Amino acid sequence: AQSVTQPDIHITVSEGASLELRCNYSYGATPYLFWYVQSPGQGLQLLLKYFSGDTLVQGIKGFEAEFKRSQSSFNLRKPSVHWSDAAEYFCAVGSRSGNTPLVFGKGTRLSVIA
Amino acid sequence: KAGVTQTPRYLIKTRGQQVTLSCSPISGHRSVSWYQQTPGQGLQFLFEYFSETQRNKGNFPGRFSGRQFSNSRSEMNVSTLELGDSALYLCASSLDTGRGYTFGSGTRLTVV
Repeated sequence: AQSVTQPDIHITVSEGASLELRCNYSYGATPYLFWYVQSPGQGLQLLLKYFSGDTLVQGIKGFEAEFKRSQSSFNLRKPSVHWSDAAEYFCAVGSRSGNTPLVFGKGTRLSVIA
Repeated sequence: KAGVTQTPRYLIKTRGQQVTLSCSPISGHRSVSWYQQTPGQGLQFLFEYFSETQRNKGNFPGRFSGRQFSNSRSEMNVSTLELGDSALYLCASSLDTGRGYTFGSGTRLTVV
């Protein structure tokens, strides 16, 4: 069964600093990969997704993620964090066959300090 | 275009009651999924419907059920509510399974 691990429960970064959120997945083949962001009391907003092709994908709000098949990872990065980026971030894996639902990691809460 | 609409946004129910939550997907989206989100368990998959058929089902008791109508709108029902059912219930729609979902703002259910 597919699974997603986000090793960091909570990360604090200074405004303007770079950010990397880790995501490792377990899946038998090449999956579809997603990063979502959730502000308190809100639903999830899609930041970016990987289906195929270029392993470095660009998303909204200046985020990017890199798919590394050899490491089963899909880490999210941002070169300069803004205070408004404080939120919870979820990595998710989906199956290409559509036979199984989207599976989410436990999430990483990002705090941004001045 | 309009996003995924979930109603109501907030709900307070008493143990033993039942509740129905509604989800209107993005126009043209035929897949609707439901997730339960709690601080302890995170996002857990409930079920997915595609063209009125349940395609996938999560590991939840039979008190949790759902359906999808011909216009792709979906409802989920929880019967005999328990305190542990208190959660944010999220609905997501997609053109097809697996290819990226758009989420609604959720329904916050509190069971007292």
